Amino acid sequence: TQLLEQSPQFLSIQEGENLTVYCNSSSVFSSLQWYRQEPGEGPVLLVTVVTGGEVKKLKRLTFQFGDARKDSSLHITAAQPGDTGLYLCAGVKNAGNMLTFGGGTRLMVKP
Amino acid sequence: EADIYQTPRYLVIGTGKKITLECSQTMGHDKMYWYQQDPGMELHLIHYSYGVNSTEKGDLSSESTVSRIRTEHFPLTLESARPSHTSQYLCASRPTGGAYGYTFGSGTRLTVV
Repeated sequence: TQLLEQSPQFLSIQEGENLTVYCNSSSVFSSLQWYRQEPGEGPVLLVTVVTGGEVKKLKRLTFQFGDARKDSSLHITAAQPGDTGLYLCAGVKNAGNMLTFGGGTRLMVKP
Repeated sequence: EADIYQTPRYLVIGTGKKITLECSQTMGHDKMYWYQQDPGMELHLIHYSYGVNSTEKGDLSSESTVSRIRTEHFPLTLESARPSHTSQYLCASRPTGGAYGYTFGSGTRLTVV
């Protein structure tokens, strides 16, 4: 059982649709990060959230950290083919410690 | 422009060969990590280092070894490659403390035949 569970594991949608990806845990994290990885490349950091209830926006992407700092969500509005990739959440339990990665959500946006 | 470099990007080698995957970063980060990842799947931590002369094994058992003689350099060595080692290997680094994210290299795709 993973410390961070991501759902769904796979998602295939049409361009223009909205979607939400979830990252859940029974543990409390001091911060949580979201990465996007394209095939053949390393993950790239999208955002870090550190405060319970925090919401951050990055263009069409909205990230939320749960009030209890145990879960997070990523919402994409009007998805585009360029959003295709593997989305990974990762949490830090104590500041300065290493990240624990979720299993990832593979998103495909069809034109 | 990448601040963390991995070489080679692709490598196909025969069983039993010794190989070293290179990872260098120019950001002065103390913490460095090696992950193994099958295509589109989760990342598994195999080694990490918190500074020069510091190395630890990660969660996933690996037959590889690492060294950290210089801050910027964190090579991974396989003494005798096997087909089961076929995978993508990702190197990452981050500064000490705070809620800093990892900076990943582009990875080395290793195929052992």
